[in-house]
Amino acid sequence: QVQLQESGRGLVTPSETLSLTCVVSGGSLSSHTWWAWVRQPPGNGLEWMGEIHHSGSTNYNPSLKSRVTMSADKSKNQFSLKLTSVTAADTAVYYCARDGRRGFGAWGQGTLVTVSP
Amino acid sequence: FMLTQPHSVSESPGKTVTISCTRSSGSIASAYVQWYQQRPGNSPTTVISEFDQRPSGVPDRFSGSIDRSSNSASLTISGLQTADEADYYCQSYDSSAAIFGGGTKLTVL
Repeated sequence: QVQLQESGRGLVTPSETLSLTCVVSGGSLSSHTWWAWVRQPPGNGLEWMGEIHHSGSTNYNPSLKSRVTMSADKSKNQFSLKLTSVTAADTAVYYCARDGRRGFGAWGQGTLVTVSP
Repeated sequence: FMLTQPHSVSESPGKTVTISCTRSSGSIASAYVQWYQQRPGNSPTTVISEFDQRPSGVPDRFSGSIDRSSNSASLTISGLQTADEADYYCQSYDSSAAIFGGGTKLTVL
């Protein structure tokens, strides 16, 4: 059973870049189609940020497109998220997830990123 | 498009509750709809996929459906238990993007 684990800095200064990595275990990054990032601000709902295919193709949420970059490293079986020019509004729990186009069948445990001076 | 859910619903243990998810434009049947349960402090888990499919391990008390006339999807939970108290999110696809509903807080009184 595939498992996902997010890692990265939990505190980011405003205007800097948020960087997170998701390690995939129990399966191959190449074995399913899309790998996504979903975030959830405290007390709010889920927001799809974007996704990356194991081939390297990406799709991003239009509201974040100018600030988001996703990449994949098949040799390390992991994929990554970078979000630039962060503000307090980017404070959220960030989840990585597997999307087989029939929903998100596997999720990481989530990591809280706080944007604060 | 947007997916609109009621902000909250409540019902008593043993009863049945239905949570709606209305698509603002385009047909509800044009892309799979999923339902996720999220308990406080936990990651979402799938309770219904592909409109009405229950993943392994999900009790048959959970069921999903769509209604083309109202352009909506529904999650029905029968025989409510206190453990069902959680937030529930519907999710579908718009071309190459995933869309989530705003979530519904289910309270089991």
